[in-house]
Amino acid sequence: AQSVTQPDIHITVSEGASLELRCNYSYGATPYLFWYVQSPGQGLQLLLKYFSGDTLVQGIKGFEAEFKRSQSSFNLRKPSVHWSDAAEYFCAVGARAAGNKLTFGGGTRVLVKP
Amino acid sequence: GAGVSQSPSNKVTEKGKDVELRCDPISGHTALYWYRQSLGQGLEFLIYFQGNSAPDKSGLPSDRFSAERTGGSVSTLTIQRTQQEDSAVYLCASSSGTGSYNEQFFGPGTRLTVL
Repeated sequence: AQSVTQPDIHITVSEGASLELRCNYSYGATPYLFWYVQSPGQGLQLLLKYFSGDTLVQGIKGFEAEFKRSQSSFNLRKPSVHWSDAAEYFCAVGARAAGNKLTFGGGTRVLVKP
Repeated sequence: GAGVSQSPSNKVTEKGKDVELRCDPISGHTALYWYRQSLGQGLEFLIYFQGNSAPDKSGLPSDRFSAERTGGSVSTLTIQRTQQEDSAVYLCASSSGTGSYNEQFFGPGTRLTVL
């Protein structure tokens, strides 16, 4: 069965500093991988996705993520964080053979200090 | 254009009562998913519909949960004899297909509280 682990429950970062959120997955084949963001009171919004090809993917809001098959990881990065990036971030793996239903990690809550 | 909408936004019910949660997907989207977000279990898949195919019900936690999708559009998630552990935010998502390139667009959710 597929699974996703986000080791960090909370991260606090200063505005303007860089951010990296960790994600490790377990899946029997090449995975579909996603990062979603959930702002307070808002729905889930897709930041970026990986399904094949270039292992460094660019997303919205200045985010990028790198797929590393050898480490079963798909870490999310942003070079310079803005106060509006304070939110909860979810990594997810999609089941290729089952309608792309998503399995989510537990989420990482990001706090941004001024 | 309009996104995925869900109603009601909040629902408070008493233990043992039945509830119905509604999802209106983006027009033309053939795939519709239900997920649940709770403090104890995080975000978990419940069920998905793709076109006229039989739904994948593999994520439904018990036989008290059921869902239907009428006319390939609106979906209703029904929880019978609600329990306190059913308290959660129920999220609906739709996509134009089930491939990786078909982004799932999520609705704002229905917050269910079972007293």
